[in-house]
Amino acid sequence: QVQLQESGPGLVKPSQTLSLTCTVSGGSIRRSGYFWTWIRQHPGKGLECIGYIYYSGSSHYNPSLKSRLTISVDTSKNQFSLNLSSVTAADTAVYFCARGDSSSSWDAFDIWGQGTMVTVSS
Amino acid sequence: SSELTQDPAVSVALGQTVRITCQGDSLRKYYASWYQQKPGQAPLLVIYARDNRPSGFPDRFSGSSSGDTASLTITGAQAEDEADYYCSSRDTIGNHVLFGGGTKLTVL
Repeated sequence: QVQLQESGPGLVKPSQTLSLTCTVSGGSIRRSGYFWTWIRQHPGKGLECIGYIYYSGSSHYNPSLKSRLTISVDTSKNQFSLNLSSVTAADTAVYFCARGDSSSSWDAFDIWGQGTMVTVSS
Repeated sequence: SSELTQDPAVSVALGQTVRITCQGDSLRKYYASWYQQKPGQAPLLVIYARDNRPSGFPDRFSGSSSGDTASLTITGAQAEDEADYYCSSRDTIGNHVLFGGGTKLTVL
């Protein structure tokens, strides 16, 4: 059974880079058809797709975050990662990684990590 | 369009039927998926590809779609169904994934 687990610092200083890793266990990140996604949730708010990546390295970023965002994949470690630079308090949120499945007419995030709270504060 | 619109809150009496809706231009082209989120937990996929349930999920949950509106229906709501529900789909261009603002379901 595939499981996802986020890891990384829970506290980041303003203007620094937020770095998180999602480790995929119980299955290969190289399995075709899936895309590996970062989603965040500001305190008390809704869900926001940050971006996603395929094992090939092809990726898509949320236009509102694109200038600060890098998502990468390491197939040898079965991991994918998020780097968000120049963070502010507005980046304080719970960050989830999730597996995306799709066809031409739909997408679904069928497996989620438990989420990790990241606070931006000095 | 870059938005999916949901009612902020809906309530239902125990055992009754409730429909949660999601509206957006992208739903004319892409099917919605629905997620259930309980406090302190990660979201859980409830419905995908308009009306498909993940294996093992209760069949009281169903999905439908018409025009620019997708719906999640719970037939015979249970106390454990009290949660936030989010819809999701691609945007009209097809690259970005959108989420609705979420609907808080209260079971009375």
